[in-house]
Amino acid sequence: KNEVEQSPQNLTAQEGEFITINCSYSVGISALHWLQQHPGGGIVSLFMLSSGKKKHGRLIATINIQEKHSSLHITASHPRDSAVYICAVRSRGSQGNLIFGKGTKLSVKP
Amino acid sequence: EAGVAQSPRYKIIEKRQSVAFWCNPISGHATLYWYQQILGQGPKLLIQFQNNGVVDDSQLPKDRFSAERLKGVDSTLKIQPAKLEDSAVYLCASSLGVGGGGEQYFGPGTRLTVT
Repeated sequence: KNEVEQSPQNLTAQEGEFITINCSYSVGISALHWLQQHPGGGIVSLFMLSSGKKKHGRLIATINIQEKHSSLHITASHPRDSAVYICAVRSRGSQGNLIFGKGTKLSVKP
Repeated sequence: EAGVAQSPRYKIIEKRQSVAFWCNPISGHATLYWYQQILGQGPKLLIQFQNNGVVDDSQLPKDRFSAERLKGVDSTLKIQPAKLEDSAVYLCASSLGVGGGGEQYFGPGTRLTVT
């Protein structure tokens, strides 16, 4: 079993829909990252969080440390949000190494 | 501020050939990471440097992969000889701090195809 599991693996939505991507992990962590990867490979960091909730524009990330679960929400989705969203965790005591989920491929249709 | 630079962006080689990738991290970043991302998978750490020292290379296939960061700035990753299963995107990332933690900034990646 992977240490970081994401669901769903693939997600298709209509423009304007509210989107939720989930991430569960099995190790103790010091931080959790949400990353966005567009076709072509480049990865952009969206959030780094260790507790509670963060918001940036239409993106919201939440984490529940007790339940070892995080969610990424996108409000009023747009075709430009189409990308792969990757959850990654930094295990407690690690040298900054991240353990990555396999990613959720999101496609937003106009 | 310039981001993490990688070259080449794309490379196609035949199996058993050798290949090298280059990464220049963000200026002043002490920690540099090389990741391998196979299609449909999340990135997997190959090697982590802090300045010019190796912190973690436990998942680097040392019989064919090597990496160096001689002056603690830019880095090269080499594969010799390449196998078909090495086809992947090779991502370089850097972070400011020493001892882990903090934001990691990723380069655009090098897409390697081994035929």
